[in-house]
Amino acid sequence: LAKTTQPISMDSYEGQEVNITCSHNNIATNDYITWYQQFPSQGPRFIIQGYKTKVTNEVASLFIPADRKSSTLSLPRVSLSDTAVYYCLVVYSGGYQKVTFGTGTKLQVIP
Amino acid sequence: DAGVTQSPTHLIKTRGQQVTLRCSPKSGHDTVSWYQQALGQGPQFIFQYYEEEERQRGNFPDRFSGHQFPNYSSELNVNALLLGDSALYLCASSGTSLLGEQFFGPGTRLTVL
Repeated sequence: LAKTTQPISMDSYEGQEVNITCSHNNIATNDYITWYQQFPSQGPRFIIQGYKTKVTNEVASLFIPADRKSSTLSLPRVSLSDTAVYYCLVVYSGGYQKVTFGTGTKLQVIP
Repeated sequence: DAGVTQSPTHLIKTRGQQVTLRCSPKSGHDTVSWYQQALGQGPQFIFQYYEEEERQRGNFPDRFSGHQFPNYSSELNVNALLLGDSALYLCASSGTSLLGEQFFGPGTRLTVL
């Protein structure tokens, strides 16, 4: 059974870099890893997506090791507005697509 | 562009009743997915609609059904409501696949008493 796990919570001071990991033990060759941010009472918002190695955009980086059984979302220099829940999402292929959100990591940014 | 819109915002029902939730996708998107998010948990995939047909389905009973209209808008129907169906129901739209970026609506908060 596909399982995607994350740390429950993390605290960080403003201006620091934050790294959030996700374990996706059953990921297959064609599966992508996507990260979303969610504020209370809102729908998730796309942050970044990757397949392997490293992907960077204007807000985050995504690191995926060679075995692809985990991934790390990196948020540079977080601010108070980055306080939110972060989810990794793996779409498990293999004949059909099964969408599995991670357990979610609540990030609290401290002044 | 209004993005993904959902209605109603909140809904209160009693056990055994039926409910219909509605979603309009982001302009240019033809694929709609529905998720259930219980309090304090991650979203759980219910199903996805493309070209007016259910394309993928998660681990949800047949009480959960849907429909997609020619204008790509979608409905989620839940029959014989249970207390455990209380959750935030999210709609997401995308371009044809689950692999790309999904745009989520604000959700409909369903409370079953």
